[in-house]
Amino acid sequence: QQQVKQSPQSLIVQKGGIPIINCAYENTAFDYFPWYQQFPGKGPALLIAIRPDVSEKKEGRFTISFNKSAKQFSLHIMDSQPGDSATYFCAASIDQAGTALIFGKGTTLSVSS
Amino acid sequence: DGGITQSPKYLFRKEGQNVTLSCEQNLNHDAMYWYRQDPGQGLRLIYYSQIVNDFQKGDIAEGYSVSREKKESFPLTVTSAQKNPTAFYLCASSSGIGLYGYTFGSGTRLTVV
Repeated sequence: QQQVKQSPQSLIVQKGGIPIINCAYENTAFDYFPWYQQFPGKGPALLIAIRPDVSEKKEGRFTISFNKSAKQFSLHIMDSQPGDSATYFCAASIDQAGTALIFGKGTTLSVSS
Repeated sequence: DGGITQSPKYLFRKEGQNVTLSCEQNLNHDAMYWYRQDPGQGLRLIYYSQIVNDFQKGDIAEGYSVSREKKESFPLTVTSAQKNPTAFYLCASSSGIGLYGYTFGSGTRLTVV
């Protein structure tokens, strides 16, 4: 019940494409769902986050879609650029209980020019 | 500038030796975390601490130990009991409020030789 399952493991798109990364969870107590972006040799950085009371959140070219009944959420990157090439992690936690984030296994995105 | 400092960036250890990884933050965050990152495995939680002098085991605590004597510091000791210690170790901190996310350090790459 503590797992967050992320797919695909890797993704290659052309510049301007819209990569989509999917995550699924089992624990219905999770109430905070962030996405992190990591470049090689660096620590992850918060990209965008959502709570289950909304179905979609946009920040710039990044959008989270959230389906509470299906226990799934996804990240869409509009007009992807070579600079978006990185590893993306979804995560979840029971924020009100102060539990630590549980991360998915990551998706390595490559955007070709 | 506020942030998290992990040191050293690269660390080599002989089998059978204990080694301590440093993590210091000046963000005045209450919570601190240690994650281990292996290729294709995502970030796995080792230990976390919500307040000084208190910490909880994560999913892979065996072979590791921590202390939290000061709010700013959360060192991780990798003991000789850890069967496969070669990995990238990431320290993070948070204010405890989910939407502000975690701030990660730049990591320490530990290699056992």
